[in-house]
Amino acid sequence: SYELTQPPSVSVSPGQTASIPCSGDKLGNQYTCWYQQKPGQSPVLVIYQDSKRPSGIPERFSGSNSGNIATLTISGTQAMDEADYYCQAWDSSTVVFGGGTKLTVL
Amino acid sequence: QVQLQESGPGLVKPSETLSLTCTVSGGSISSYYWSWIRQPPGKGLEWIGYIYYTGSTNYNPSLKSRVTILVDTSKNQFSLKLSSVTAADTAVYYCAREVRIAGKGFDYWGQGTLVTVSS
Repeated sequence: SYELTQPPSVSVSPGQTASIPCSGDKLGNQYTCWYQQKPGQSPVLVIYQDSKRPSGIPERFSGSNSGNIATLTISGTQAMDEADYYCQAWDSSTVVFGGGTKLTVL
Repeated sequence: QVQLQESGPGLVKPSETLSLTCTVSGGSISSYYWSWIRQPPGKGLEWIGYIYYTGSTNYNPSLKSRVTILVDTSKNQFSLKLSSVTAADTAVYYCAREVRIAGKGFDYWGQGTLVTVSS
């Protein structure tokens, strides 16, 4: 079965840039989405089609996808961005999520 | 604004069947894919399966033998049945809408409902 791998945790200082990778075999050949989940809340779509932002998502969120790695980048990270982030892709018609990355802003 | 709301028992006994319903409001259930996704306490997201409004389904291979997802377009609802549950099925269960066109992902989610499997 297809697997997406994320680091369990990433730390960033306020105002700096955070990068969260998601790796999978030939991941760059398909679209990847990213979700933000804060404690006790439902996931929120922050990036779709590798790099597009839904309405209402701040411009500091961006994404890229090439080769075997998709990356979520948060520029000028704010304290409110501290959350769990999940990448998501497809394996034929089934949906696959990465294991999630806890972003700590300190 | 589309809203999804999960409903169903919060406690299920081992070996029994977990049953949940997702009610969609603010929009039609037609023309979208509707999924169930779960999250065990302190763990990551696991996709369970989807149903298209026509009734076509696809399930996570790891759960396929125990999962049934149905749709009732007249009520704008879809449902999940998971049979022979164990403690490992304890999780927050979410319903979500997927725009299955070229990677658009899950754009609307329910608030989630915690289901505990325990005697």
